[in-house]
Amino acid sequence: DADVTQTPRNRITKTGKRIMLECSQTKGHDRMYWYRQDPGLGLRLIYYSFDVKDINKGEISDGYSVSRQAQAKFSLSLESAIPNQTALYFCATSDLAGAPYNEQFFGPGTRLTVL
Amino acid sequence: SQQGEEDPQALSIQEGENATMNCSYKTSINNLQWYRQNSGRGLVHLILIRSNEREKHSGRLRVTLDTSKKSSSLLITASRAADTASYFCATNQRGAQKLVFGQGTRLTINP
Repeated sequence: DADVTQTPRNRITKTGKRIMLECSQTKGHDRMYWYRQDPGLGLRLIYYSFDVKDINKGEISDGYSVSRQAQAKFSLSLESAIPNQTALYFCATSDLAGAPYNEQFFGPGTRLTVL
Repeated sequence: SQQGEEDPQALSIQEGENATMNCSYKTSINNLQWYRQNSGRGLVHLILIRSNEREKHSGRLRVTLDTSKKSSSLLITASRAADTASYFCATNQRGAQKLVFGQGTRLTINP
C-alpha cells in the first residue's frame, strides 16, 4: 500500500479554486494513471503517462491537467474546480515490463469535495 | 459505455457460501483482470486471465473466461466476512494501452 501514495487524502474546496492532487510511487514503474470514481460507478480514466515525456488523455480529461515531474511523480490539477468534480480520485501504476498488460497498483485515494 | 459490465450489481450471501460474479465485455481483449475494493480504499489486484486461458485459480478464487461469449466469472468459495467488498472486472482491449473498468459488484457476506 505504501508503494503508491497520494496527497492530500481528503480535500474540501470551493468552486473556482485551483487544486492539485499529488501521487508518488516507489515501485519503479514507468506507467502512471489518474482515475476518478463516483458513487456506485467504476473507475474512469482521466490521464495516463507511460514515461516522463509521455502524457495521454483518458476518457474524461476535460477540466483536468497533469504533470509528470519525474518517473516517480504524477500530479493531477483541477484548474477551476466545479461541484461535479466531487469524487474519489485514484492514482495507479503499472510496470512497463511484461506483455500484453500487467496489473495496476493503486494508491489509497483522495476524496475531493467541491462546494 | 463501460467495456465491462458486472452482474449482479449487488450480492448478499451467508458466510461459508460461494459467491459468483459475472462480467461481460464488448470487444476483443488481451486479458481480463479482477480487482477488489474495500470501502473507500484503493483497488487491489486479485487475478489476471489471458485471452488464451479458460480458467485460473488463486486460493479461494476461481476465474473463468469465455471469449466466444465475451464473458468472465469470478467465484469466491467458502466466503468469509472479510470478503465483503466491491469487485471490479477490468479489460485490456486489443491495441489499447490501458484498462477499462466495469461498474462493479458490491458483495456483502453476512455472519
